[in-house]
Amino acid sequence: DAGITQSPRHKVTETGTPVTLRCHQTENHRYMYWYRQDPGHGLRLIHYSYGVKDTDKGEVSDGYSVSRSKTEDFLLTLESATSSQTSVYFCAISPNFDRYNQPQHFGDGTRLSIL
Amino acid sequence: TQLLEQSPQFLSIQEGENLTVYCNSSSVFSSLQWYRQEPGEGPVLLVTVVTGGEVKKLKRLTFQFGDARKDSSLHITAAQTGDTGLYLCAGALIIQGAQKLVFGQGTRLTINP
Repeated sequence: DAGITQSPRHKVTETGTPVTLRCHQTENHRYMYWYRQDPGHGLRLIHYSYGVKDTDKGEVSDGYSVSRSKTEDFLLTLESATSSQTSVYFCAISPNFDRYNQPQHFGDGTRLSIL
Repeated sequence: TQLLEQSPQFLSIQEGENLTVYCNSSSVFSSLQWYRQEPGEGPVLLVTVVTGGEVKKLKRLTFQFGDARKDSSLHITAAQTGDTGLYLCAGALIIQGAQKLVFGQGTRLTINP
């Protein structure tokens, strides 16, 4: 299994509070991704990173920010959590860009509930 | 609007029956990946199809990529209870030099004994 650790695995917090989720990899992969998974929507890309300090937005980036100060860590921050951000969040990694699209390897997710 | 439409979203059949899951889009993908996800875990790759018209087999599972690389199907022959799970298709797009996956809504498959 790819070495991906997400923390925390579960979190309950209140509307308006800041929340940071962490993704840690031991594979030295270049690309890291944050997704959210909601019923009826599959997985939707929030932000991704293509190197240290290099990040870009995905399709549902509003209300989220990310940072990557080291190859192995990719942080997702909800500056002021809202109930609509209740979801299961997945981190994924993939190695160097390949035209034939190497698969992404996923962590086990963080279940976030915002009350 | 979902870029990649997956159907059906729910399927419950008896053990031994055959089934097909479809993923359709108006976009052309550089590849199409199929994942399976168990409760409490992240998706795990089953197969990647790259060439238009490509067919790949994984035991009783057959994956096909459409000729125009806009659609794909997963066919399971003689389903078993162990096939129960969430199946996800994902189309790969290359945007500004980075690979991005676009996921279908998922098919929650239940195989009844």
